[in-house]
Amino acid sequence: KQEVTQIPAALSVPEGENLVLNCSFTDSAIYNLQWFRQDPGKGLTSLLLIQSSQREQTSGRLNASLDKSSGRSTLYIAASQPGDSATYLCAVRSGKLIFGQGTTLQVKP
Amino acid sequence: NAGVTQTPKFRVLKTGQSMTLLCAQDMNHEYMYWYRQDPGMGLRLIHYSVGEGTTAKGEVPDGYNVSRLKKQNFLLGLESAAPSQTSVYFCAGSYDFSGNTIYFGEGSWLTVV
Repeated sequence: KQEVTQIPAALSVPEGENLVLNCSFTDSAIYNLQWFRQDPGKGLTSLLLIQSSQREQTSGRLNASLDKSSGRSTLYIAASQPGDSATYLCAVRSGKLIFGQGTTLQVKP
Repeated sequence: NAGVTQTPKFRVLKTGQSMTLLCAQDMNHEYMYWYRQDPGMGLRLIHYSVGEGTTAKGEVPDGYNVSRLKKQNFLLGLESAAPSQTSVYFCAGSYDFSGNTIYFGEGSWLTVV
């Protein structure tokens, strides 16, 4: 059974810092991995989608990497801003889409 | 292009009452999903559909029923609401099951008292 874990559960950093969010999964037989952002009281917005054959994807200040063999993905946020404050979820698709519990990020001005 | 739209956004039910959550999408998604999100539990799949007229069970289907009579709509029904069904419900859609981004609605907050 696929299990997805995100560490840490919460993170607080000062504005301008570069930071890394971690996601691990137990079964490496995945189609893809997706990172989402969720603002309080809102739905999920897709940030980056990495296919199983890819190693990384970039969008602006965001970079996501995937290491299938070790069952890990990281989301790197460069030069963090207060507007980046949100909960970040990763999800792996292996049959169904299985979510981690998320990392709640607070970027302080 | 509204994307994925859920109604209602908020609802309070009494135990034993029934209700239906409606998900409508105008993105021509073949696949549609209903998730629930609970503190400390992440998002869990309730039911999903791989096309018009089809439905399938997810991780936590008990107490819920779904229907996909039209491609653009996916309905989630609670026949006899229980306090354990107090949650935030999200509908989502995708073009296929493996390669593409999944798009979420804004959520429906349901409280059962």
